[in-house]
Amino acid sequence: DTGVSQDPRHKITKRGQNVTFRCDPISEHNRLYWYRQTLGQGPEFLTYFQNEAQLEKSRLLSDRFSAERPKGSFSTLEIQRTEQGDSAMYLCASSPRDTYTDTQYFGPGTRLTVL
Amino acid sequence: DQQVKQNSPSLSVQEGRISILNCDYTNSMFDYFLWYKKYPAEGPTFLISISSIKDKNEDGRFTVFLNKSAKHLSLHIVPSQPGDSAVYFCAAYSGAGSYQLTFGKGTKLSVIP
Repeated sequence: DTGVSQDPRHKITKRGQNVTFRCDPISEHNRLYWYRQTLGQGPEFLTYFQNEAQLEKSRLLSDRFSAERPKGSFSTLEIQRTEQGDSAMYLCASSPRDTYTDTQYFGPGTRLTVL
Repeated sequence: DQQVKQNSPSLSVQEGRISILNCDYTNSMFDYFLWYKKYPAEGPTFLISISSIKDKNEDGRFTVFLNKSAKHLSLHIVPSQPGDSAVYFCAAYSGAGSYQLTFGKGTKLSVIP
């Protein structure tokens, strides 16, 4: 399977705990994106990497959120001191080339529930 | 400020008929549009896209129409099949060096056998 993979698929945590999600993009895709989707809404952009460089961040990405993409391969998204409002589906996507119109291919998402 | 609007939360269509899903946008900087389909517990799956220099793009049963002056696009599915039942999202790129997609809230399509 060469699609985007995300781990874990589900995460339940208590308020105040830290969580980390992993995304493995499609092989050789140099662009990687994180989105958040809450109930009844479309995905909302969080951040974007080109190779290992984080080039764009949304104002939704508060200082409790940090994303990395070491070596330009997989990426991690960490949320510190989780709040109930962080409960959402976290989606990762990747795209292959340098033009911004390239299709973004999404993974299955990680569903976070903060109790 | 919803820049991409899908005003119909749901749509029901008989199998074999045409499904028409609508999308309006407010940001005149948007110049490339995509439709994604999403099943429960899965990520969005790309369906079809259109550049602002075109007014129509077709791929099999799926056709997207773009009316730039009205800032409106629509997705036509002909004929509709039960497997098309899913949530459909309209999304847009604004260019200008931004790589983020802006999504609508989605329309849930139910195709009735």
